[in-house]
Formats: sequence, structure tokens, C-alpha cells
Amino acid sequence: DARVTQTPRHKVTEMGQEVTMRCQPILGHNTVFWYRQTMMQGLELLAYFRNRAPLDDSGMPKDRFSAEMPDATLATLKIQPSEPRDSAVYFCASGYATHRGSLEPQHFGDGTRLSIL
Amino acid sequence: KNEVEQSPQNLTAQEGEFITINCSYSVGISALHWLQQHPGGGIVSLFMLSSGKKKHGRLIATINIQEKHSSLHITASHPRDSAVYICAVRLETGNQFYFGTGTSLTVIP
Repeated sequence: DARVTQTPRHKVTEMGQEVTMRCQPILGHNTVFWYRQTMMQGLELLAYFRNRAPLDDSGMPKDRFSAEMPDATLATLKIQPSEPRDSAVYFCASGYATHRGSLEPQHFGDGTRLSIL
Repeated sequence: KNEVEQSPQNLTAQEGEFITINCSYSVGISALHWLQQHPGGGIVSLFMLSSGKKKHGRLIATINIQEKHSSLHITASHPRDSAVYICAVRLETGNQFYFGTGTSLTVIP
């Protein structure tokens, strides 16, 4: 059964440290999403890619966050420097969009639970 | 004001009941997404729809574009349906998504 794989599952680090979260999308999917979920804000879309190109990153704080897709099998989300307010669960999801932009339901990873002390 | 409003916020039902969760939005959209988040935190994409109705098992999602409203129905509810249901919309212009705050459903045996 194909799955979206996220690593690490949990991360605890001190503020100021760099954090890198990784996501392996389902093979064949051409769209990758990064979400953040907190108790206060709920679920938010940070950025998403289609065919490895960033389609929208308006939800992502640009000064400390960066998202990339070095290749079709890997998406990364980096925070540098990290702050306590970045503590959240970060989900990656992948899906397939047709050439007309119609998007099929997304498949979610299990998330990375990040705690910044 | 949130662009996406869900109701109710919390819902408790007896096993077997028919359940309806509502989502209203105030922006032009190209698609609407229903998500299910289980108590353990895992998220499942239930439906993406831009018109009409979709059905999968005991779940039915409908959308009325003119009224800017979507409903998620669960027939013959079961305790395993207990979860938070989240509505999200993709804007008609641009590529942004807006999310509702979720409806927490508890189905009692």
C-alpha cells in the first residue's frame, strides 16, 4: 500500500537550531503539500509544489522557512533559526493533478511533531 | 471573519444515526476538500469536489456552488467515525487554500 513517508516522526530541539523535515511522496504523484497544525491556528497550508516547482508558498514565513524539492522523491521543509512558536505538527501530503489542474484527493503522511524549547 | 465556517463545532451522536456536517465559505473557489483527522492525529482525505455530489461507502459529500455551501453526510454512523472533520477550499483565483476549524464528531455505541 503506497504511503507518504515523513521523517523524523518527532523532533525536539532548542531555539535557534536548524530543523529539517523530509517527505517522500507517493511515486507518480506530481503535487506535494506542506501543512502545519497547531491547537491555536488549526491546519494551515504552508506551501505546495507541482512537478517540483513551487506553486504557492504564501502561507510560509519567508524569513526562516524554506521548502524545496531536490528531486521527485524528496521534499524538504527547513526552519532556520527555529523559534518556540514553530512548535507544531507538520504534515506532508501528495496527490496527482491532471494537466487541467484538477486535483485528486491527497494522501497524508503521519506528520512530524516538532517541539522547539 | 473566517473565509470558511463549519457547523457544528462539536457533535455527539448515537451509533446508527444519520450525521450532517456543514461548511460555508465566502470566497470563489475552484474545489472543496473534506478531510478526516482521527484521534491519533492521522489525516485522511475524504473528498475533493467542485460540483454536485460524491459518495464513498457511508460517506456522501455535496456542494452547492451558488449558495457557497457543502455538506458531509455519514449514514449509519459508527464509533469508528469519531474524528475531526475539516473542510478546506481552494481559491478560484490563485493557488491558496483556506481551512475551516473543524467539526469534532463523537459517535457513542
